[in-house]
Amino acid sequence: GESVGLHLPTLSVQEGDNSIINCAYSNSASDYFIWYKQESGKGPQFIIDIRSNMDKRQGQRVTVLLNKTVKHLSLQIAATQPGDSAVYFCAEIYSDSSYKLIFGSGTRLLVRP
Amino acid sequence: GAGVSQSPRYKVAKRGQDVALRCDPISGHVSLFWYQQALGQGPEFLTYFQNEAQLDKSGLPSDRFFAERPEGSVSTLKIQRTQQEDSAVYLCASNSGADTQYFGPGTRLTVL
Repeated sequence: GESVGLHLPTLSVQEGDNSIINCAYSNSASDYFIWYKQESGKGPQFIIDIRSNMDKRQGQRVTVLLNKTVKHLSLQIAATQPGDSAVYFCAEIYSDSSYKLIFGSGTRLLVRP
Repeated sequence: GAGVSQSPRYKVAKRGQDVALRCDPISGHVSLFWYQQALGQGPEFLTYFQNEAQLDKSGLPSDRFFAERPEGSVSTLKIQRTQQEDSAVYLCASNSGADTQYFGPGTRLTVL
């Protein structure tokens, strides 16, 4: 079935370095993508989103890139901090699906001090 | 409060018991979603409400799962005759009709 997946289950980076978390999606009809951060014992927290008519969007220290040709999504975190340690999920929505989020399995980001 | 709240935060049930999980969405949010998250996995959609109407329940895994939102605000997810495979974190999310969904902290259900 349609799914959103991630290439790497765990990513370890040095504090201050940039992090890149990747995601592949399979539904070409998806028109909205979101990155969530989830810390232990908490619900997913919205980070940044992007619509299918865009290929890049920037936030504070975060950038999301969308490549529709290869159905690939990435989250870039600049100057990674210890507080960025968490599990990151990409999720997609296609508007004929009651706006439910389809999540991938997640990537754990570990920041080394 | 300013965010989505859920109660209880933790629930332990014996196999065969019924449980009820509550979600208080952000005030004024029209849409409410329930998701199930198994350990180490991403959340999976269960059901969706727009106001009091349940528009999509395609993700409910069996007829033991039932959700309601009678007045278009608070929602309850009920699981009858719980089984061990029901053990998971149950997440509630809401939005105002725009796409971004805001999540609550979840209820961790453990079925013994």
